[in-house]
Amino acid sequence: AQSVAQPEDQVNVAEGNPLTVKCTYSVSGNPYLFWYVQYPNRGLQFLLKYITGDNLVKGSYGFEAEFNKSQTSFHLKKPSALVSDSALYFCAVTPGNSGYSTLTFGKGTMLLVSP
Amino acid sequence: NAGVMQNPRHLVRRRGQEARLRCSPMKGHSHVYWYRQLPEEGLKFMVYLQKENIIDESGMPKERFSAEFPKEGPSILRIQQVVRGDSAAYFCASSPTIGQGDNNSPLHFGNGTRLTVT
Repeated sequence: AQSVAQPEDQVNVAEGNPLTVKCTYSVSGNPYLFWYVQYPNRGLQFLLKYITGDNLVKGSYGFEAEFNKSQTSFHLKKPSALVSDSALYFCAVTPGNSGYSTLTFGKGTMLLVSP
Repeated sequence: NAGVMQNPRHLVRRRGQEARLRCSPMKGHSHVYWYRQLPEEGLKFMVYLQKENIIDESGMPKERFSAEFPKEGPSILRIQQVVRGDSAAYFCASSPTIGQGDNNSPLHFGNGTRLTVT
């Protein structure tokens, strides 16, 4: 069974500083990895995904994530944080190349960007 | 193109009543997933449906919960005889093709239904 760990419940960063939200995963075979963002009282919005290819994936709103197979990690990054980036971020994984499968989500990391 | 539509946004039920949550997928999407989000927890998969078929209900509680996705109309998640522990946000997601890892179909989520059982 697959699993996702987001070790930080909350990440605090000042506006303009770089941010990192950590994610590690466990899955059989090659993983498909995703990041979603959730704003208050809203559903999840897709940010980016890793399927195959380049380990550095670029997504929406200036976010990027780096797939590291040896460390089984998929950390979310942004060079310069904005106050509007404050939200709940979820990492998710599903086994690749296995037909349909269901996303397994981490518990989420609250990102707070201070002005 | 409207996104995934869920209604109601908020639902209050007394213990023992029934709750019906509706989800209309994005236009052209024939795959629907239901997830539950409990406080302080991530999203937990409940059920995956295609039109008129339940494909995977491994995340659904064995009793009181059921789901359907008829040929016409929205997908329905039904909870009978609700208990306080059912209080949560229930999210529906849809995709146009099989699988969630397909290059062209990340899941698209609705804004959720927040169920409160009093």
